[in-house]
Amino acid sequence: GAVVSQHPSRVICKSGTSVKIECRSLDFQATTMFWYRQFPKQSLMLMATSNEGSKATYEQGVEKDKFLINHASLTLSTLTVTSAHPEDSSFYICSARDGARWATEAFFGQGTRLTVV
Amino acid sequence: EDQVTQSPEALRLQEGESSSLNCSYTVSGLRGLFWYRQDPGKGPEFLFTLYSAGEEKEKERLKATLTKKESFLHITAPKPEDSATYLCAAGSGGGADGLTFGKGTHLIIQP
Repeated sequence: GAVVSQHPSRVICKSGTSVKIECRSLDFQATTMFWYRQFPKQSLMLMATSNEGSKATYEQGVEKDKFLINHASLTLSTLTVTSAHPEDSSFYICSARDGARWATEAFFGQGTRLTVV
Repeated sequence: EDQVTQSPEALRLQEGESSSLNCSYTVSGLRGLFWYRQDPGKGPEFLFTLYSAGEEKEKERLKATLTKKESFLHITAPKPEDSATYLCAAGSGGGADGLTFGKGTHLIIQP
């Protein structure tokens, strides 16, 4: 199956700093990538849709100025958590779709555990 | 509103004890029903996609089935390495990602 690589897997940062998380599709072109947040024992919560070459679309309640998304190429999307605070600590997961197939298989990255201290 | 409910929330089995996980869904225009395995601290790993009622798919000790209202993930003679959280998601084309996730079933297989 297709591979989506997410980096880093874990990051600890100080409150007020910014953190960048990368999501790469390794063997297919992803015109669309999705960013999720997952709390313990909860399901995935969609944060935003990353579209190659255009602005990201954010779900209701997600601060676009705090969670900056850039999708500069067909294989890379980045999520930057700006001015991070302890409440931003969470598990962030990206997913990528092969633009040629809708949801036949949605592939996920390994996730990033962000801890803000 | 699309909804996906998984049961039970948690399940503890002895090694070799077969069981089934349930995923009930209410979506308008199901395009696919997805099953994923998620290990602690990892992203979801794709297992199956089911497209129509009556469809079945198998992979090692896992078999997924689909009806018009629910999907089952049958686990036959499980081993400790099958311990994980199993997520199902209904794809309907609604929402930005077209997916509605359940909260998952946390499965523990004891040796």
